[in-house]
Order: sequence, then structure tokens, then C-alpha cells
Amino acid sequence: DTEVTQTPKHLVMGMTNKKSLKCEQHMGHRAMYWYKQKAKKPPELMFVYSYEKLSINESVPSRFSPECPNSSLLNLHLHALQPEDSALYLCASSQDGEKTQYFGPGTRLLVL
Amino acid sequence: GQSLEQPSEVTAVEGAIVQINCTYQTSGFYGLSWYQQHDGGAPTFLSYNALDGLEETGRFSSFLSRSDSYGYLLLQELQMKDSASYFCAVRASTGRRALTFGSGTRLQVQP
Repeated sequence: DTEVTQTPKHLVMGMTNKKSLKCEQHMGHRAMYWYKQKAKKPPELMFVYSYEKLSINESVPSRFSPECPNSSLLNLHLHALQPEDSALYLCASSQDGEKTQYFGPGTRLLVL
Repeated sequence: GQSLEQPSEVTAVEGAIVQINCTYQTSGFYGLSWYQQHDGGAPTFLSYNALDGLEETGRFSSFLSRSDSYGYLLLQELQMKDSASYFCAVRASTGRRALTFGSGTRLQVQP
């Protein structure tokens, strides 16, 4: 199983809402990532978890809050987002030192 | 810091060969990866080079020259389904276990 799953596929939220994005992998990978991707741009790293501990936070605003409940799950909690946060949010996992990352299909987020 | 440069767009016809170049500047270097992303889809891993030379995987090959901080992705026998964006990426430094992606090259394959 080389699949990373993400839910929901699409999300529309208002600026006062609280929502969560979920990511799951069952490949035994110990590193998991959140990326943000705007149209026609590369994925932009947000957070890295290594062995369930946050190892990289790319100075992401606190309205984005990651959580890694266990080695297979990664959440991204969203609160008080801005319209400019509308983007595709991608989750990825890796085992081999980032040589190969497996991406989920993403959550397309629209903030109104 | 790290930076990667790729051409923004490349157009080619079915059956042709196309080369997408990537130059990088990093404080350290572990290897160069290539990812493909179709519109509306997720990036998928294509290839990885840690050492100088050519790696071949079917119709796709990837080349690295560490001394020139340069690599390329070669796509042969182009098919319409190869129309996508292609990103080079590096893991650039010790202790930073993450990839930095280039800005991407949009490949348009025409009939």
C-alpha cells in the first residue's frame, strides 16, 4: 500500500470557522509533511513531523496548527483563516531521507 | 539558502524527446529529485540522483552533475499524457530533513 489519503477533498470555510484537515498513511513512514500549493506554483513546505515530533515549522502563522496523534495520522487544524489561505493543502510521507515523498491527493480549501 | 531554477514552460510534439533543466544553489547537497504533477493532481515521484550520471526509468531519465550544480529530466517518446508540470527538488542541508522545490516547468505535448 503506497497510498496517502486526505480528507476532505474540498473545503469551504468562513474566516471565523474552525476546521481540520486529516491525512493518513499506512506505509510505516516516520516523516510526514504538510505543504501549501497555490495555482501554478510549487508546493511550499509548512510543517514536518519526524517520529511524531514537530521538527520543522516554516514560520507558519498560528492560525494553522498541526498535530500528529500517531505515526499514521497527521492533522492540520485551521482557525480564523484569511482568504489568501485558499490553496491546495498537500500531505506527504517519506521513509528514505526525503529522496522519495508520497503525496496525498490534497484538500482544496476556499476561505470566504 | 537554497534556490532552484527551471524553465517555466516547454512545448513539444508527441513522439519527440524533451529535456527539462534544473540548476540549484544550496549550502549542502544530498540529491536531486524530480516530481510530476498533472493539473488537479498531486505530485508523484519520478526519479532521484545522488551521484553524477544518468538514471533511466523507462521513457524517463534523469541526469546529475554535482560539480556543475545541474541536472535534467529527459522524457522520450512523448505522449499526450506527459503534459504536466515537472518539479526538481533538493534536500539541501544536514538537519533539515525536507525538500525545497523548484518553481516547476509546465510541459505541453502537442499532437
